Amino acid sequence: GAGVSQSPRYKVAKRGQDVALRCDPISGHVSLFWYQQALGQGPEFLTYFQNEAQLDKSGLPSDRFFAERPEGSVSTLKIQRTQQEDSAVYLCASSLGAGRLTYEQYFGPGTRLTVT
Amino acid sequence: AQSVTQPDIHITVSEGASLELRCNYSYGATPYLFWYVQSPGQGLQLLLKYFSGDTLVQGIKGFEAEFKRSQSSFNLRKPSVHWSDAAEYFCAVGARARRGGGADGLTFGKGTHLIIQP
Repeated sequence: GAGVSQSPRYKVAKRGQDVALRCDPISGHVSLFWYQQALGQGPEFLTYFQNEAQLDKSGLPSDRFFAERPEGSVSTLKIQRTQQEDSAVYLCASSLGAGRLTYEQYFGPGTRLTVT
Repeated sequence: AQSVTQPDIHITVSEGASLELRCNYSYGATPYLFWYVQSPGQGLQLLLKYFSGDTLVQGIKGFEAEFKRSQSSFNLRKPSVHWSDAAEYFCAVGARARRGGGADGLTFGKGTHLIIQP
């Protein structure tokens, strides 16, 4: 079956531009997560959705970062007025959700964002 | 808050030799534990998971891991590595969901880069 897909795979933005990153989770997966992975580091949690509800956004680094999942499936991570420190790989993950299954997450290939 | 330490940044192993990658975690209760592998340009693939029960868990690609509560460790092992195992390996811990909904995401270590020598 299809896994988690993300688009675009690569994005180059000039500092100050807005970007939108898309995630298509595995069909039927209730939970959706966004992570940020800086070069040479492990992924760091950004935000979590259960269906369309954003239940945790404690990892978003600033108010320039915004995520939505309006119909409980596809999600978009938007970064406004991009800065060089936003350069990273943005990973999306989904899981069946509910209890411990929330943590059994399946990851997409990521979007590599480079801000110049 | 939970944390994960992978003390080895790089490990080099000869093809056919055994492998052990170390992972230590910090968490106030028994966590959910995971190992993921990441090949260049790829997303993270789940190798194995520990929720409860038997402390020795089997995963895909011939990997296993053992949860040791007394040492707060969850080391990954493989008896004989193949050149295709060269990749970045991440240990992760998941905290129990908070009451009332919501959940912390996985907390990852910084990763161990595995190099396979022919």
